[in-house]
Amino acid sequence: GAVVSQHPSRVICKSGTSVKIECRSLDFQATTMFWYRQFPKQSLMLMATSNEGSKATYEQGVEKDKFLINHASLTLSTLTVTSAHPEDSSFYICSASVRGRKRYTFGSGTRLTVV
Amino acid sequence: DQQVKQNSPSLSVQEGRISILNCDYTNSMFDYFLWYKKYPAEGPTFLISISSIKDKNEDGRFTVFLNKSAKHLSLHIVPSQPGDSAVYFCAASFDRGSTLGRLYFGRGTQLTVWP
Repeated sequence: GAVVSQHPSRVICKSGTSVKIECRSLDFQATTMFWYRQFPKQSLMLMATSNEGSKATYEQGVEKDKFLINHASLTLSTLTVTSAHPEDSSFYICSASVRGRKRYTFGSGTRLTVV
Repeated sequence: DQQVKQNSPSLSVQEGRISILNCDYTNSMFDYFLWYKKYPAEGPTFLISISSIKDKNEDGRFTVFLNKSAKHLSLHIVPSQPGDSAVYFCAASFDRGSTLGRLYFGRGTQLTVWP
């Protein structure tokens, strides 16, 4: 149980376009989801915390207007990278907390390449 | 400021032997620790965790040791298998009863188990 599905697994887009990444909890309700970014050989950097029905909380240095997060339901959170630049190319991963379990379940990640 | 540190970026171990992955943290308020395993282009998968009220937790071939006074934890894998080859992330958090606070990750250690 506690499966998080993330789509797409990889996407290539042109500079200036927007890309949406979806994160779904398949068999549980996720009131809180987290979005991470990982650079090569780097740690998982928390970008923002997404709470169902309210505005996301962004970490310092993360542009909220560039990385739009929507958590409209208890099973879906989306991250939209707006006006993508090549420096936005990275591996993005979502995770969700499972109520009553002291762990986070992660999605399979999205490799974004901006050309 | 990296509050969780994994100072060894890589570790190479022969199959059948013990793998020891180390992790240090700076924030003495952390009271829950987790290890995640990650393959390339995939999201991290939960491996084992430990609460600060314990100094050892064992699950099959995996054992986590916690030394609170030294702010140090380690993951032991015995015996190591080639399938264990992956990046291992140490994470720390705050225990909130039925859930955890956000995770703080180390940079990861690439474990390679050779035949």
